Amino acid sequence: DAKTTQPPSMDCAEGRAANLPCNHSTISGNEYVYWYRQIHSQGPQYIIHGLKNNETNEMASLIITEDRKSSTLILPHATLRDTAVYYCIVRVLIQGAQKLVFGQGTRLTINP
Amino acid sequence: NAGVMQNPRHLVRRRGQEARLRCSPMKGHSHVYWYRQLPEEGLKFMVYLQKENIIDESGMPKERFSAEFPKEGPSILRIQQVVRGDSAAYFCASSRASGGAGEQFFGPGTRLTVL
Repeated sequence: DAKTTQPPSMDCAEGRAANLPCNHSTISGNEYVYWYRQIHSQGPQYIIHGLKNNETNEMASLIITEDRKSSTLILPHATLRDTAVYYCIVRVLIQGAQKLVFGQGTRLTINP
Repeated sequence: NAGVMQNPRHLVRRRGQEARLRCSPMKGHSHVYWYRQLPEEGLKFMVYLQKENIIDESGMPKERFSAEFPKEGPSILRIQQVVRGDSAAYFCASSRASGGAGEQFFGPGTRLTVL
């Protein structure tokens, strides 16, 4: 799996958009970008994934650059409950058949 | 639809004892993964199982650790002769065999403390 680089920590004000960057400059053409988060020692939670098009779901939006070497996870209206460690992971999509390789992630703190 | 269940949530063992951690995947999921998170560290993959088969155990320590996912019942992660360094949170995840986005759904974890 390609490696990812994320800032170790970020702060964001409650109600504002939180933009979390991720660099994956060695990503292969068949590798997807996945985002998970872990809220205070709970089990990680799937957020979103994409290949090359931008994606949006009820939790977040994922913006992937045209060259696919970086992406940004956007939480449009951050709340205090979004405080967590966010992990950007790249991997080939083989249905259910691929381990997740977690880096250190970004510790996002939402401030009141 | 119940999520991934793990039990016990907390387990205390003395050095040299055995620890058994259980994981029941989500309904309809036939793939199970075990991850370990040491204190203040990220999650590390241990093993990936399908029913009655170990598919990838590249992250599993060679000694004292074993995993199974029988045809009936939960997946079991077994640690024999535990040592203090085994103290960690152990997370189980499950996924479908096909369909979906390949996402893995995680349980709440079992926190193992070795005295």
